[in-house]
Amino acid sequence: NAGVTQTPKFQVLKTGQSMTLQCAQDMNHEYMSWYRQDPGMGLRLIHYSVGAGITDQGEVPNGYNVSRSTTEDFPLRLLSAAPSQTSVYFCASRERGGLNTQYFGPGTRLTVL
Amino acid sequence: AQKITQTQPGMFVQEKEAVTLDCTYDTSDQSYGLFWYKQPSSGEMIFLIYQGSYDEQNATEGRYSLNFQKARKSANLVISASQLGDSAMYFCAMRESAGGTSYGKLTFGQGTILTVHP
Repeated sequence: NAGVTQTPKFQVLKTGQSMTLQCAQDMNHEYMSWYRQDPGMGLRLIHYSVGAGITDQGEVPNGYNVSRSTTEDFPLRLLSAAPSQTSVYFCASRERGGLNTQYFGPGTRLTVL
Repeated sequence: AQKITQTQPGMFVQEKEAVTLDCTYDTSDQSYGLFWYKQPSSGEMIFLIYQGSYDEQNATEGRYSLNFQKARKSANLVISASQLGDSAMYFCAMRESAGGTSYGKLTFGQGTILTVHP
């Protein structure tokens, strides 16, 4: 049981490049989400999904796309990277409904030059 | 809108002593959950403790306890017998109750850096 996994761990992009951050979980959780962590700002929700085929925007969705074709995977796509997207990205998952504990992946540190 | 406030950017504690990390919250929901996460220098987010808004007793998990004062809207984390390995960033977070397709966003505070001195 690996929990929530993310790849890559580190990434450097040039402005305008696109890329996909991968996230997978093996706990059969219906809910998955992406957060970004910037210094002094805590974690902010980018996008989330309440099940395969269902996604929605969080607090800071601009510049990012997501899709959820399977329960296990929830990739985050940066369409045209900008320096403002330099951040640490966390994927998380939890069971449906209620107030269940959220489990986080190890994070991806992204730098956009 | 939900809001979490952690007013202590940094805290220092001597090894083996207890420390309290402050967290206040604001919500109009009746049902919500409060969480504390630890983020060591390695960067991962580690779940520590959870308190539901309807829980009558304060949550405890080993050396961690949550001092929940609903009327004051505070959810302070108490770490007893601090250890050097407790040095980390600590985040308080809140989530409204979710149901159906309602996700229940997790809102985080800005964090408190705890340093444990030997």
